[in-house]
Amino acid sequence: IAGITQAPTSQILAAGRRMTLRCTQDMRHNAMYWYRQDLGLGLRLIHYSNTAGTTGKGEVPDGYSVSRANTDDFPLTLASAVPSQTSVYFCASRQGNTGELFFGEGSRLTVL
Amino acid sequence: GQNIDQPTEMTATEGAIVQINCTYQTSGFNGLFWYQQHAGEAPTFLSYNVLDGLEEKGRFSSFLSRSKGYSYLLLKELQMKDSASYLCAVMDSNYQLIWGAGTKLIIKP
Repeated sequence: IAGITQAPTSQILAAGRRMTLRCTQDMRHNAMYWYRQDLGLGLRLIHYSNTAGTTGKGEVPDGYSVSRANTDDFPLTLASAVPSQTSVYFCASRQGNTGELFFGEGSRLTVL
Repeated sequence: GQNIDQPTEMTATEGAIVQINCTYQTSGFNGLFWYQQHAGEAPTFLSYNVLDGLEEKGRFSSFLSRSKGYSYLLLKELQMKDSASYLCAVMDSNYQLIWGAGTKLIIKP
C-alpha cells in the first residue's frame, strides 16, 4: 500500500541519548516535512526538504537535524535528546508546493 | 506575525449540523486546508479552498472568504465517527503551511 512509513511508532529515551526517527515514502513525492505536535499547539514544522539533496529549517529546528540523500527517505535525528523534545512527531510528504499533505502514522517520543 | 485561530472544543449532537470556524492572519495566502485527526492517529485531508465560496464534498463543506481572513468547515448529519479534531491550515506566500491548534469535536448521542 502506497504511503508513508515511520519508525519507531513509540520510543522512551534517556536524556542525552542520540535518536533517529525514520521516514520512508513510496509515492515519489518531491517535498517532505517533519512536524511535532504538542497538546494545545498546532503542528510545528521542524525541518523540510523540497527535493532530494536539499533541506531547510522550519519553525522549531533547534536540536534536530535531517538529511535527504534520496527521494524516498527523510530521517530526523536528535543529537542529544532533552525532555522538551517529548512529543509526537509526524513525517509528511506532498508532490510540489501546493498539493495536500500525506502524513505518516506518527512517532511518539518520550525523553526522560 | 502569522496566526490561525479556531475554537478549542465544540460539542454537537448526533444527526445535527456543526460549523467550525477558522480565522487567519498570514504573510500571503496560497490556499486553506482542513484536516481531520482522530485521537492517536495521523491527520487526513478533508478539503482545500483557494477561491472564495463554498466547496461541498458529501456531508462536509468548506467555505472561504479571503477578504475577511475567514473559513468554516460545515459538517452535516453528524455521526459518532465524526468525533475528532479538525485542523485548519493556511499556506503562506512561501508555500509553507501554518497550522491552527485544532478544534476537538465531541459528538453526543
